[in-house]
Amino acid sequence: GEDVEQSLFLSVREGDSSVINCTYTDSSSTYLYWYKQEPGAGLQLLTYIFSNMDMKQDQRLTVLLNKKDKHLSLRIADTQTGDSAIYFCAERSTGANNLFFGTGTRLTVIP
Amino acid sequence: DGGITQSPKYLFRKEGQNVTLSCEQNLNHDAMYWYRQDPGQGLRLIYYSQIVNDFQKGDIAEGYSVSREKKESFPLTVTSAQKNPTAFYLCATNGLGGTEAFFGQGTRLTVV
Repeated sequence: GEDVEQSLFLSVREGDSSVINCTYTDSSSTYLYWYKQEPGAGLQLLTYIFSNMDMKQDQRLTVLLNKKDKHLSLRIADTQTGDSAIYFCAERSTGANNLFFGTGTRLTVIP
Repeated sequence: DGGITQSPKYLFRKEGQNVTLSCEQNLNHDAMYWYRQDPGQGLRLIYYSQIVNDFQKGDIAEGYSVSREKKESFPLTVTSAQKNPTAFYLCATNGLGGTEAFFGQGTRLTVV
């Protein structure tokens, strides 16, 4: 079955860049997503990338996809304390009915 | 105001009781999902429904039940058969063919 893996924790200093990594096993993944979850809240979609793309940039966020290595990353430039949250990587395969999520990476931004 | 409403936000259950978590949406989305979130784990799919009066088991359906009598509503019942129900439950929706899943704010269930 599908497997999506992330490291559990990441700490960065305010103003530095954060890079959150994700690996997945399903070679038929069509869409790959990054969601943000603040304490006690639901998930908020940050961005997604279609599998035929290598990169997507949206303001401070840059998503890189290495389809050969099945590796996805999210870079947050100029990280702020408000970026502290859990970030989930998720993937959807062609014809699948749901998303498969990683464990989430808890990002802590140190002032 | 469009969106997904989950209620209640916090729910306490005594052992042996059934409880029902509500999920209502006004996005006119066909597909609705229930996920369970435990610390240090990703979201795990409990049940999903792509159309009214139809639903499918996800990866961890045992001890749960759902209904989909209306497009707007997809309630989840946590039964006494669920041995470890304490968790954060998230409801999500998306339109058929849509790329994005939208999430509610979650219900935290605690067994006391």
